[in-house]
Amino acid sequence: NAGVMQNPRHLVRRRGQEARLRCSPMKGHSHVYWYRQLPEEGLKFMVYLQKENIIDESGMPKERFSAEFPKEGPSILRIQQVVRGDSAAYFCASSPRGGGSYEQYFGPGTRLTVT
Amino acid sequence: AQSVTQLGSHVSVSEGALVLLRCNYSSSVPPYLFWYVQYPNQGLQLLLKYTTGATLVKGINGFEAEFKKSETSFHLTKPSAHMSDAAEYFCAVGARTGNQFYFGTGTSLTVIP
Repeated sequence: NAGVMQNPRHLVRRRGQEARLRCSPMKGHSHVYWYRQLPEEGLKFMVYLQKENIIDESGMPKERFSAEFPKEGPSILRIQQVVRGDSAAYFCASSPRGGGSYEQYFGPGTRLTVT
Repeated sequence: AQSVTQLGSHVSVSEGALVLLRCNYSSSVPPYLFWYVQYPNQGLQLLLKYTTGATLVKGINGFEAEFKKSETSFHLTKPSAHMSDAAEYFCAVGARTGNQFYFGTGTSLTVIP
């Protein structure tokens, strides 16, 4: 059973470009979470999605960031007009159900570097 | 709101020594509790979790943690450290109502030969 897949693993973008990060959850999982990890910091929750729905986006910056989880295909985290401060590791996690009792299974992350 | 505090951002132990990584949470209702490990350039891997029942929880790689409601703590221990235990460890809580997870800032464990 394949784990959570994220691609690309490494992404380099120049300031002002767009970054698209993809996440394929584990088979049978319909709940996806996105986190950002800055150097020397913990994981910061960004957004929680179910298929075709954003459930909680309280951790998303108000501008330039968006996320989707379509009926078919991977979840996508999109960052428009990237700035140097967006450089971080972005992790996706999935779970079979929502709620705090279900552990989340993490992907290997996408490391975004903005030059 | 929930919060998670991990005391000690860096912990060093000698190989074979006891590992103790501290985690405290703040919540009026005891949450679900988790420990994750992150090796360099990798994602997080679940070590163990507490949801209900026995308060001493055993996980993978010889780790265990004890939920102490009176102390609002969920400290992670291992009797004897291995070199392979060197990694970043994150405590996390899941709310009993709602969907969000809250992670601590992590503790970097160094094992000295």
